[in-house]
Amino acid sequence: DVKVTQSSRYLVKRTGEKVFLECVQDMDHENMFWYRQDPGLGLRLIYFSYDVKMKEKGDIPEGYSVSREKKERFSLILESASTNQTSMYLCASRQEMKWNEQYFGPGTRLTVT
Amino acid sequence: DQQVKQNSPSLSVQEGRISILNCDYTNSMFDYFLWYKKYPAEGPTFLISISSIKDKNEDGRFTVFLNKSAKHLSLHIVPSQPGDSAVYFCAGVTQGGSEKLVFGKGTKLTVNP
Repeated sequence: DVKVTQSSRYLVKRTGEKVFLECVQDMDHENMFWYRQDPGLGLRLIYFSYDVKMKEKGDIPEGYSVSREKKERFSLILESASTNQTSMYLCASRQEMKWNEQYFGPGTRLTVT
Repeated sequence: DQQVKQNSPSLSVQEGRISILNCDYTNSMFDYFLWYKKYPAEGPTFLISISSIKDKNEDGRFTVFLNKSAKHLSLHIVPSQPGDSAVYFCAGVTQGGSEKLVFGKGTKLTVNP
């Protein structure tokens, strides 16, 4: 049974805090992704990684950074959280070019107050 | 620029009837399309896909139709069931190009008993 896990389901942080969102997959996938989902805006790609220590900006990378030190783990970092980063954050992983096998984690609902 | 458009934010149908969810795309380089289904507080799950070499793909109650000349695809659910109530995302990708799936904003389907 494939698995993408995210460190927290719900998180509340204060403006200006540094926030770490962790994602782990157990499928030995090369590609990992971070999205945010907002009402009326759908799924927007923040960053993705196609290999250890490799990363590429998505559509909305501003205010975020990522880290991939090990193949199974992909971290999203909010350097200084702001209220407009309140959102549902979804991690996903996929084998290269296996388009119909992209698996998502359950999501982290982040609230920044 | 929105490359994948789902112009109906919501759709409501009666149980047993057909649900038709629509999706338009502008990127003519897309050659593979997917539909994902998302329940609240869960990550999206893959539902069905179609390659641009086909115009129809069927899986049980779910059928996806592709009209390349109109850059339009649709997902048909027959018969609709209350458990189908979810947000449906359409996505496109260029095989051999970027590893990124481009998602639409989603359509919330409600199937009434």
